[in-house]
Amino acid sequence: GDSVTQMEGPVTLSEEAFLTINCTYTATGYPSLFWYVQYPGEGLQLLLKATKADDKGSNKGFEATYRKETTSFHLEKGSVQVSDSAVYFCALSDGQAGTALIFGKGTTLSVSS
Amino acid sequence: DTAVSQTPKYLVTQMGNDKSIKCEQNLGHDTMYWYKQDSKKFLKIMFSYNNKELIINETVPNRFSPKSPDKAHLNLHINSLELGDSAVYFCASTPRDTYNEQFFGPGTRLTVL
Repeated sequence: GDSVTQMEGPVTLSEEAFLTINCTYTATGYPSLFWYVQYPGEGLQLLLKATKADDKGSNKGFEATYRKETTSFHLEKGSVQVSDSAVYFCALSDGQAGTALIFGKGTTLSVSS
Repeated sequence: DTAVSQTPKYLVTQMGNDKSIKCEQNLGHDTMYWYKQDSKKFLKIMFSYNNKELIINETVPNRFSPKSPDKAHLNLHINSLELGDSAVYFCASTPRDTYNEQFFGPGTRLTVL
């Protein structure tokens, strides 16, 4: 079945450092790909998405490009802030309403000043 | 103007009790979901409903029973609670034609003593 593998944390960075969180997937067909973020004590918020190969999703300085050839959707940010400290989840969907999102195990990011 | 809301936010109860968690979305979405997040932050689908019809029913004990009185509400009833049911439960919803982008509620932290 479909699956998502993302690097396990925790990832600890200093403010203004460059961030990469790796995510690869296995899927039949052409899934949609998402990054969700969970701040402490809160629910999941959609950070960005890409629905077809070579699409780049971006939001709040974060970016990820849908790479079909490497089945990857790595999350990057050029300069992290303390407020970016959270758990980041990579997820995929076959795009059909009613089907589940399949999540990676989450990566905890901790940014210090 | 809360989009997806859940009540209660925290639920502490004894083993063997029966409890319910309520979810409401005011986004006009057709499809709603329940996910379980375990202590390691791993997220797994439990159920999904589309227009009050059950679509996904993962391998979840029969003690868990979803109820959808209308398409804006999806409640989760749990009978005979066990220690292993302790987790955070998230409700989510998705509109049509958005590649299954899902909107999450704030979560309900269930603790079974």
